[in-house]
Amino acid sequence: KAGVTQTPRYLIKTRGQQVTLSCSPISGHRSVSWYQQTPGQGLQFLFEYFSETQRNKGNFPGRFSGRQFSNSRSEMNVSTLELGDSALYLCASSLGTADDPTNYGYTFGSGTRLTVV
Amino acid sequence: ILNVEQSPQSLHVQEGDSTNFTCSFPSSNFYALHWYRWETAKSPEALFVMTLNGDEKKKGRISATLNTKEGYSYLYIKGSQPEDSATYLCASYNAGNNRKLIWGLGTSLAVNP
Repeated sequence: KAGVTQTPRYLIKTRGQQVTLSCSPISGHRSVSWYQQTPGQGLQFLFEYFSETQRNKGNFPGRFSGRQFSNSRSEMNVSTLELGDSALYLCASSLGTADDPTNYGYTFGSGTRLTVV
Repeated sequence: ILNVEQSPQSLHVQEGDSTNFTCSFPSSNFYALHWYRWETAKSPEALFVMTLNGDEKKKGRISATLNTKEGYSYLYIKGSQPEDSATYLCASYNAGNNRKLIWGLGTSLAVNP
């Protein structure tokens, strides 16, 4: 059974550019969440999608956006990149449903390491 | 408390020692408590999802307990091994208008052979 796949694994971008990261969840998982991880900050929640709908959003500026497709694959986009956006971006999928969101653990991808120079 | 807090921040033990760490979370509108293990250069791996007060779960040498009334969970590792070295994260999910997993900063465990 394939795990959560994130692409690309590594990315180097210049300030002001935009970037799109992709996440393919485990087959059958309709819930996808995105996190940013920086040293000393822990996992910071970005968004959660369920069946193509954004169910929740973290405290990040509008430059961070995301979407989910009908096959549950998800993308996140960061526009006008800043140096502080350099981080590991993790995607996680879950069997959780709209009514029973977190009775199931999350399966994480390997992440995309974004470096903004 | 409004956030999820984990203690200690880091821990060094000798192989064979038993150890435990604490996760404190908001007790109001509690829904679920997750524990994850995050090894260096790997992805976080789910250990337990706990929902009921008094719940106790076990996976090999690792076990966890849950007290939803006072808002804490303990993770125990019996007979620590070097391969247990990792950061252990907990996350709380509380019902409400802004339902989402709130993560602690983790306890970093190093087991010396």
